[in-house]
Amino acid sequence: NAGVTQTPKFQVLKTGQSMTLQCAQDMNHNSMYWYRQDPGMGLRLIYYSASEGTTDKGEVPNGYNVSRLNKREFSLRLESAAPSQTSVYFCASSEASNPNYGYTFGSGTRLTVV
Amino acid sequence: AQSVTQLDSQVPVFEEAPVELRCNYSSSVSVYLFWYVQYPNQGLQLLLKYLSGSTLVKGINGFEAEFNKSQTSFHLRKPSVHISDTAEYFCAVKKGAQKLVFGQGTRLTINP
Repeated sequence: NAGVTQTPKFQVLKTGQSMTLQCAQDMNHNSMYWYRQDPGMGLRLIYYSASEGTTDKGEVPNGYNVSRLNKREFSLRLESAAPSQTSVYFCASSEASNPNYGYTFGSGTRLTVV
Repeated sequence: AQSVTQLDSQVPVFEEAPVELRCNYSSSVSVYLFWYVQYPNQGLQLLLKYLSGSTLVKGINGFEAEFNKSQTSFHLRKPSVHISDTAEYFCAVKKGAQKLVFGQGTRLTINP
């Protein structure tokens, strides 16, 4: 089925460990996004990529890096995980120039940092 | 920058009762408005959107929302809820090609 695929679905890290969250979309969308979801705070944008080859910071970029590997894939890296990064992470994609499409979300990665 | 305020963090209602989830946004220019639903342990799904035209927008699962420009609101309504409507609901606003900005979410709990 067409959509946004995130891996892994669950992850437990120790403080200081690194990891990469993977995201791929097969809808030929130009724009991709990484959000984190925390109770009572809604979704906050970490990084986004308006098109292949470009990335920009969102609202809460500290402690993260991203790579837009190609048009399909957009990864999020935690270089040195901290307990404050315990959250649910969502990847999304869209045709940013056309609001009719809205955003399509992946099913999320639940990350716990101990 | 635009912002979105969902006035209720939690809304409990009885099954078959009507419900309204409130959303206000701040923007001095035209925006696009969305409601998303998140069922437990799932990602977000689009419920409905307002881009232009009629201020009453109908979405999936019997939900509808009304765009009120003078009150900068986009409240979500359903005349009769079902247990399966238990979820978290997010209002979001987008200005042109800019990124979606989400509200804090409203957790809807349906009691039998």
